[in-house]
Amino acid sequence: NAGVIQTPRHKVTGKGQEATLWCEPISGHSAVFWYRQTIVQGLEFLTYFRNQAPIDDSGMPKERFSAQMPNQSHSTLKIQSTQPQDSAVYLCASSFASSNERLFFGHGTKLSVL
Amino acid sequence: QQKVQQSPESLIVPEGAMTSLNCTFSDSASQYFAWYRQHSGKAPKALMSIFSNGEKEEGRFTIHLNKASLHFSLHIRDSQPSDSALYLCAVRSSGSWQLIFGSGTQLTVMP
Repeated sequence: NAGVIQTPRHKVTGKGQEATLWCEPISGHSAVFWYRQTIVQGLEFLTYFRNQAPIDDSGMPKERFSAQMPNQSHSTLKIQSTQPQDSAVYLCASSFASSNERLFFGHGTKLSVL
Repeated sequence: QQKVQQSPESLIVPEGAMTSLNCTFSDSASQYFAWYRQHSGKAPKALMSIFSNGEKEEGRFTIHLNKASLHFSLHIRDSQPSDSALYLCAVRSSGSWQLIFGSGTQLTVMP
């Protein structure tokens, strides 16, 4: 079991460019979460999928952020027209589809917007 | 909207000491309470969780929940340098899938 796999580990983009972050959840886990972590804001919920269906995206900045889960083995988070304030560690987590199951986090993608 | 706050922000304790970390939440209908630990540069990892009032012990770690006080805590007995990490509390409200995290307590255990 390789755990939750996130790629790339680091991504540097220029202001206004697009960034796509990838997540491979643990096999058998049907719940996938995206979080963003910064020193100032801490760990912020972005969005949640269950059985590939989007369930809750209330944490997503609506204008430039989007997330998809085209199949059970991967999810993507896309940020259009990146801004310096988007710089953060983006963490993906997966769990079994029960509301009281622990989340297993990936190591994250550190996004730096210059 | 659920608010989760942790105290203290940082804590330095000597090896062997008892460490106590605190977490308060705002939604009295919350139903799931957990502690995660994140070593520097690593992924957050679940430590333990509790659903109902009372205490739960796992090895050197004890979690205590008091829903009426909107408060739960983590106690670490015989703290070790390897316990040095960022500790995050997390709460899930009834009817929600969101796990809301506190801002964390940075624990340093001095050898």
